[in-house]
Amino acid sequence: GAVVSQHPSWVICKSGTSVKIECRSLDFQATTMFWYRQFPKQSLMLMATSNEGSKATYEQGVEKDKFLINHASLTLSTLTVTSAHPEDSSFYICSARDGTGSYLSEAFFGQGTRLTVV
Amino acid sequence: AQSVAQPEDQVNVAEGNPLTVKCTYSVSGNPYLFWYVQYPNRGLQFLLKYITGDNLVKGSYGFEAEFNKSQTSFHLKKPSALVSDSALYFCAVSPSPFYNQGGKLIFGQGTELSVKP
Repeated sequence: GAVVSQHPSWVICKSGTSVKIECRSLDFQATTMFWYRQFPKQSLMLMATSNEGSKATYEQGVEKDKFLINHASLTLSTLTVTSAHPEDSSFYICSARDGTGSYLSEAFFGQGTRLTVV
Repeated sequence: AQSVAQPEDQVNVAEGNPLTVKCTYSVSGNPYLFWYVQYPNRGLQFLLKYITGDNLVKGSYGFEAEFNKSQTSFHLKKPSALVSDSALYFCAVSPSPFYNQGGKLIFGQGTELSVKP
């Protein structure tokens, strides 16, 4: 299947700093990427839908200024956690779908990023 | 509203025995259903999907799932469990057939599968 690469796999940052997470589709074009947050032993919570060349669509309750999303190319979306606080510590996962067709295809997921804010 | 329910937080199975991980859904219109597996500190791996056609869908690693419209279920099954199948399993539904028209995935809460030797 298609490969989605997420970087870094884990990051520790100090409270108040910003952290950028990258999500790349390696062998396909992804006009749409999705960012999820997952707490331990819990399901994935969709944070936002990232659209290439346009603004991201955020789910209700997700702070746009806190979680900045940029989808500058068909193979790269970034999530920046600004002014991070310990409560932002979580597992962040991106996913992407092949953009060559409009019909539904399975989403491919990155390996996730474990963010710890100290 | 679209939703997915996985009624069991954990399923325990002996190696070699058949396994079932349950999933029920609620959607308006046709359901587009998926199963994913997650290993610790990893992203999700696609197992199988139901879009249309045969109710029995075969997927990766010997898994299969049966779509039952009358019971609004999409249970994941495997005839003979392996210890290496131990992981977290997610059922998901998409409210739209078109990924670029709101085709985001809505996940169930996950089921921890434990296969003992």
